[in-house]
Amino acid sequence: DIKMTQSPSSLSASLGERVTISCRASENINNYLSWYQKKEDGSVKLLIYHTSRLQPGAPSRFSGSGSGKDYSLTISGLESEDIATYYCQQGYTPPTFGSGTKLEIK
Amino acid sequence: QVQLKESGPGLVQPSQTLSLTCTVSGFSLTSYHVSWVRQPPGKGLEWMGVIWTGGSTAYNSLLKSRLSISRDISKSQVFLKMNSLQTEDTATYYCARDWTAAHSFDYWGQGVMVTVSS
Repeated sequence: DIKMTQSPSSLSASLGERVTISCRASENINNYLSWYQKKEDGSVKLLIYHTSRLQPGAPSRFSGSGSGKDYSLTISGLESEDIATYYCQQGYTPPTFGSGTKLEIK
Repeated sequence: QVQLKESGPGLVQPSQTLSLTCTVSGFSLTSYHVSWVRQPPGKGLEWMGVIWTGGSTAYNSLLKSRLSISRDISKSQVFLKMNSLQTEDTATYYCARDWTAAHSFDYWGQGVMVTVSS
């Protein structure tokens, strides 16, 4: 199975700040990389698919980039509603997730 | 409007079988795959398995011997059955629409918390 290593595990940032979360796959995943937001109420939302494609309805301050084994999610201008845990996930079978990044407001 | 909703018992005894139902609306099970994903308390997300649009299935190798996913197209329902439950199976269980050739989950249910305890 492909292992996803996500960093950092937690992050504290100020409102309006630019935030970046990284994810590294154990092998080339050919851009089959999605990012999810999980809120404290348990709800899960797809933000980015295929590395950089913004899911309809996701705010435009979210963007994704990367290739090969290395990928990142950037929030350009942190807002209070972005408080959540973020997960990366690679798309080959079996799909596997990163361990999550808990984002808090400083 | 796409929706998925999990239902099932909140408490299961060790060694017993877990049965969960995912009822979907706003799309057809013949057009989209549906996966099950779980999250134990304080841990990460774990993919359990998928039922493809054609009805075939694929499972996480760690769970394959205990897990079965099936569906009733007419009722728009997907079923998960997992036997020989242990306390480590305590988790929130989600069903999610799996919408691309490479797994990506665009809609998720609210999740159902299942506790394995006597």
